[in-house]
Amino acid sequence: ETGVTQTPRHLVMGMTNKKSLKCEQHLGHNAMYWYKQSAKKPLELMFVYNFKEQTENNSVPSRFSPECPNSSHLFLHLHTLQPEDSALYLCASSQEDGRGGDEQYFGPGTRLTVT
Amino acid sequence: GQNIDQPTEMTATEGAIVQINCTYQTSGFNGLFWYQQHAGEAPTFLSYNVLDGLEEKGRFSSFLSRSKGYSYLLLKELQMKDSASYLCAALNSNYQLIWGAGTKLIIKP
Repeated sequence: ETGVTQTPRHLVMGMTNKKSLKCEQHLGHNAMYWYKQSAKKPLELMFVYNFKEQTENNSVPSRFSPECPNSSHLFLHLHTLQPEDSALYLCASSQEDGRGGDEQYFGPGTRLTVT
Repeated sequence: GQNIDQPTEMTATEGAIVQINCTYQTSGFNGLFWYQQHAGEAPTFLSYNVLDGLEEKGRFSSFLSRSKGYSYLLLKELQMKDSASYLCAALNSNYQLIWGAGTKLIIKP
């Protein structure tokens, strides 16, 4: 595998379910990101990890819980979600945490539907 | 507040040239990115400008005017595969990326 991979690609879950999204990067990068992408809206940055440490949490509800066990893996644990949480969840990585114009490499995303 | 404005949708003809504009208002500025996102796929990096002027990369060019808070992406010799959304994002003084909602470009034969 190369680049940034995400699993699953599609997920349908009820509001009482617990599920996890997984992201893996094979680029040797030190920073990883979770974004939410809703139709016709700007990308919303959710969390940033730099060298496994969380450096940013953009007022994300606690029903979203990130985990970064190492610089190559990032998880997003989901529980008691709401229908408005339905969106495309994108993972990205970069060499550093966005400083100096480092480009971000994105995974294909997980299309989440909350019923 | 911080804001990025870009047109929601544009249509162009195969073989033609199209310019996608982006204006930004951010607290400080450390550069501007353009990304391409095909439907159902990941965004991919196109360009990064931090100095004023035009940067050319094959059929794609990106322009920046810091004094005007303005950038554009110029696509030449359009091909059907260029049909995609184009995302503009500005890096503010805290090195946070402020994203636009994207411009959906439709290429017609």
